[in-house]
Amino acid sequence: DAKTTQPPSMDCAEGRAANLPCNHSTISGNEYVYWYRQIHSQGPQYIIHGLKNNETNEMASLIITEDRKSSTLILPHATLRDTAVYYCIVRSWGKLQFGAGTQVVVTP
Amino acid sequence: IAGITQAPTSQILAAGRRMTLRCTQDMRHNAMYWYRQDLGLGLRLIHYSNTAGTTGKGEVPDGYSVSRANTDDFPLTLASAVPSQTSVYFCASSERGSTDTQYFGPGTRLTVL
Repeated sequence: DAKTTQPPSMDCAEGRAANLPCNHSTISGNEYVYWYRQIHSQGPQYIIHGLKNNETNEMASLIITEDRKSSTLILPHATLRDTAVYYCIVRSWGKLQFGAGTQVVVTP
Repeated sequence: IAGITQAPTSQILAAGRRMTLRCTQDMRHNAMYWYRQDLGLGLRLIHYSNTAGTTGKGEVPDGYSVSRANTDDFPLTLASAVPSQTSVYFCASSERGSTDTQYFGPGTRLTVL
């Protein structure tokens, strides 16, 4: 599975959109981009995934660039409960390989 | 629907003791997984099962065993615990197999002294 690069941390104001970048320049054609998050002391929570097209669900939107070498997770209206570590994972099959992720802190 | 439950929530164990961590899912998922999470190392796969009756080794299987007698349960056993097995353990499941979205349980915090 391709490796991903994420910023170690970012802050976001409550009520604003949070845009979380992820680079995956070695992604191959059959690999999906997955996003999970982990709130302190809880199990990882699935957010969204996509292959080529942009995706949206009740939690977030996923924007994948045309060359698929990077993506952005968008939390449209961040709340304090969105404070967590966000993991960007690229996989085709097999184990989920979690990196260090991005620590997102939403502030009032 | 409970999803995935794990027991116990936390445990302190003496080195050399045997311990079984329990994991149960009610989603009728075929595949189940065990991960451990250690500070600075992220989540690492210990064992997995693609369907009832089958199991496979993950990235860090040594010192652990699993069984999958039925669809719902996937216990993880430490035959003789060692301090390096102090960790937070997460069970996960997915509908069909390793290409599907995995859903995680709340975790078990294990301390081996």
